[in-house]
Amino acid sequence: QVQLVQSGPEVKRPGASMKVSCKGSGYTFTAYFLHWVRQAPGHGPEWMGWINPHSGGTKYAQKFQGRVSMTRDTSIGTAYMELSSLTKDDTAVYYCARGEEYCSGGICYLDHWGQGILVTVSS
Amino acid sequence: DIQMTQSPSTLSASVGDRVTITCRASQRISGWLAWYQQKPGKAPKLLIYKASSLESGVPSRFSGSGSGTEFTLTISSLQVDDFATYYCQQYDTNLTFGQGTKLEIK
Repeated sequence: QVQLVQSGPEVKRPGASMKVSCKGSGYTFTAYFLHWVRQAPGHGPEWMGWINPHSGGTKYAQKFQGRVSMTRDTSIGTAYMELSSLTKDDTAVYYCARGEEYCSGGICYLDHWGQGILVTVSS
Repeated sequence: DIQMTQSPSTLSASVGDRVTITCRASQRISGWLAWYQQKPGKAPKLLIYKASSLESGVPSRFSGSGSGTEFTLTISSLQVDDFATYYCQQYDTNLTFGQGTKLEIK
């Protein structure tokens, strides 16, 4: 069955960077776009961007451009999301999620989600 | 960016009730809309895509409708397992989620 397994919770200082991982299994990793979505406490989900695991191409939400980087290692079926210059407003649960099969240009609904990673930014 | 507005923010209902949640887009998105269910401490779960297509394995009491800018999610007969928060998401231009509707037990 399709699984997206994410790395563990993190605590970061303001100004630091975070890098979280998402390992896909049960499907062909390079055949589906992989999205990153975050959810601050008590808020709705917020889309951050996607990576095409086949080509390595990316698209980032404007809000995060210049501060986010999405990469992948196809040899181990794992995607990474790095976010820099953290502030307390970046405290959230970060999810990876798979785009549906017929995702056009990366823009699609999300059919499988990782378990989420709580990242806390605190001094 | 396309904004998604859900109503109501909170909905109190009883087991067996029929409930409807509305999602409005700030511009036309054709039928590029999905609905998700989220329970506390868990990831969102896909229920509906392309406005009205039921995801495999999702009970048939869930249904979606709408096009253009106004969409609805209907649960025909509420079960205990359905009390959760529901989100809409557009995928016409990038991805945007609504702020959520919390479905509570009356």
